[in-house]
Amino acid sequence: AQTVTQSQPEMSVQEAETVTLSCTYDTSESDYYLFWYKQPPSRQMILVIRQEAYKQQNATENRFSVNFQKAAKSFSLKISDSQLGDAAMYFCAYRRGSQGGSEKLVFGKGTKLTVNP
Amino acid sequence: DAGITQSPRHKVTETGTPVTLRCHQTENHRYMYWYRQDPGHGLRLIHYSYGVKDTDKGEVSDGYSVSRSKTEDFLLTLESATSSQTSVYFCAIRTGVGRPSPLHFGNGTRLTVT
Repeated sequence: AQTVTQSQPEMSVQEAETVTLSCTYDTSESDYYLFWYKQPPSRQMILVIRQEAYKQQNATENRFSVNFQKAAKSFSLKISDSQLGDAAMYFCAYRRGSQGGSEKLVFGKGTKLTVNP
Repeated sequence: DAGITQSPRHKVTETGTPVTLRCHQTENHRYMYWYRQDPGHGLRLIHYSYGVKDTDKGEVSDGYSVSRSKTEDFLLTLESATSSQTSVYFCAIRTGVGRPSPLHFGNGTRLTVT
């Protein structure tokens, strides 16, 4: 079974600084997708960024970018110019490529990010 | 907004009582999921559905059942609630929009079993 590991239960960053959250995964598949979700105190799960495994180019969404290292099975999230509103739990997630519709999203245990003013 | 409504938002129930959580979507998407979230465990899949009357188990399905009699509704039932089922429950749908298509989540139901 696929597993997703987030080795940092908690991280903190100063406002306007850059922080990187780590994520590693275990899979024997070659076709898969990776996601980062954000969960603020409101409890809402918000998609931050997504990456297709076959694409070598790292995904970027405004201040959020990933460092996707396929051989190392690593998918870290970089937040630049951190803002107070970035404070949240961040979850890394993995999904196999299409297998007839039964693909499921597997989550890591999360990293709690604190942003200090 | 993917049009997902979970009800109730909060519920307190006693051990041994049956509980049903409802997930309603407005856009007729095929895939729907139930996850539970617990501290130190992230989100874990309970059951999912890939169409009306088509459901399958996830990694933590013991003690739970689901039903999907209409495309828009996916029900999660705890036949006899236990304290270990105290959790936050999230429903999610996959819209198929964007590549790769992500899951969109409801706002969650906080269930407390006393």
